[in-house]
Amino acid sequence: DGGITQSPKYLFRKEGQNVTLSCEQNLNHDAMYWYRQDPGQGLRLLYYSQIVNDFQKGDIAEGYSVSREKKESFPLTVTSAQKNPTAFYLCASSKGRYYEQYFGPGTRLTVT
Amino acid sequence: GNSVTQMEGPVTLSEEAFLTINCTYTATGYPSLFWYVQYPGEGLQLLLKATKADDKGSNKGFEATYRKETTSFHLEKGSVQVSDSAVYFCALSDRGAAFGNEKLTFGTGTRLTIIP
Repeated sequence: DGGITQSPKYLFRKEGQNVTLSCEQNLNHDAMYWYRQDPGQGLRLLYYSQIVNDFQKGDIAEGYSVSREKKESFPLTVTSAQKNPTAFYLCASSKGRYYEQYFGPGTRLTVT
Repeated sequence: GNSVTQMEGPVTLSEEAFLTINCTYTATGYPSLFWYVQYPGEGLQLLLKATKADDKGSNKGFEATYRKETTSFHLEKGSVQVSDSAVYFCALSDRGAAFGNEKLTFGTGTRLTIIP
């Protein structure tokens, strides 16, 4: 079955450590996205990529970094510069920039 | 810029009640409109979509009609079930947006609880 996988489901880290969240898709989609969701809040866009080896910052990119070396993979690194990293992180993909997005199951990151 | 406004939640209904969740939008180009649903602890699932004015999207008993004259895309269901309890997000994608702004714009979400 085609879809988007995110791993792990739950992640715990100590403050000051960088952590990388995985996102893989086998839908053959060109575009991929990372969002952050805080309790009771909507989604905020971190980064998006329309094509391999290219990506753009979203609404709140500070403290985050991404890479897009392969079409099917779009890992997100939460760096120690992110002041409030505890959140639910969602990855999505779409056929192209104007198409509907399909979401992964999410990774809940807790930093203490 | 683009924006999506949803009715404030939470919304609590009895099973078999009629549901309406309001969604209005502003867009600079030619938006496509979407409703997503998020169950507790999960990612978002696409519920339905409409890509042009007067289109009606439908899925699992839910419907929404793209009304350009009122810039609205209200979600409706005739008889809700306990399993419909979730958070619902309205979103738009603007085909006329300038490069770099062609991403989904989400509403803040409406939490729906159905009681037996």
